[in-house]
Amino acid sequence: DAGVTQSPTHLIKTRGQQVTLRCSPISGHKSVSWYQQVLGQGPQFIFQYYEKEERGRGNFPDRFSARQFPNYSSELNVNALLLGDSALYLCASSWGQGLRTGELFFGEGSRLTVL
Amino acid sequence: AQTVTQSQPEMSVQEAETVTLSCTYDTSESDYYLFWYKQPPSRQMILVIRQEAYKQQNATENRFSVNFQKAAKSFSLKISDSQLGDAAMYFCAYRSALNNNAGNMLTFGGGTRLMVKP
Repeated sequence: DAGVTQSPTHLIKTRGQQVTLRCSPISGHKSVSWYQQVLGQGPQFIFQYYEKEERGRGNFPDRFSARQFPNYSSELNVNALLLGDSALYLCASSWGQGLRTGELFFGEGSRLTVL
Repeated sequence: AQTVTQSQPEMSVQEAETVTLSCTYDTSESDYYLFWYKQPPSRQMILVIRQEAYKQQNATENRFSVNFQKAAKSFSLKISDSQLGDAAMYFCAYRSALNNNAGNMLTFGGGTRLMVKP
């Protein structure tokens, strides 16, 4: 069975540009979360979506947005890129939300470099 | 807000030996979950072990075990019989057990890089 898949695996952008990252959860999983991992640090929570609705948001500016589609896949958008947005963006899926979340399964991430 | 601290940026262990990774956390909540995740160079975070705060018994998964000290807010990971494949970044993480919507919101520590010497 396929795990959590993310695309693209690597990408390079310049300051001010916009980027879209994609995530496909494990089949049957309805919840998708996004994390930002700056080099040398632990991941930081950005968003959680469940049943196509935003269920949680971390301390990130409005330049960050996301959505979840009817097939439960998700996109993370970042506008007006800054150098500090350079990071590994991790997607995680689970079958539920709240206390019934179940185990989180992570993808291998999308490495974004902003020049 | 909760915080998670890993005070050991790097640790080294000889193959077949035992190593302990430290983690402390700060919270005002009484019910929560704690996790250890492994992140190899492939970048994929893999769950190693989890602990429910209401359980007094320390969790164990094969060669991995934890020492959970709730009063001290300490959650260390012990790896026994270390193997070359254990070399990776290890992250300690906290999740609230409050019945809110952000069930997937984990707070991670800064990580410990574990090196295993043959």
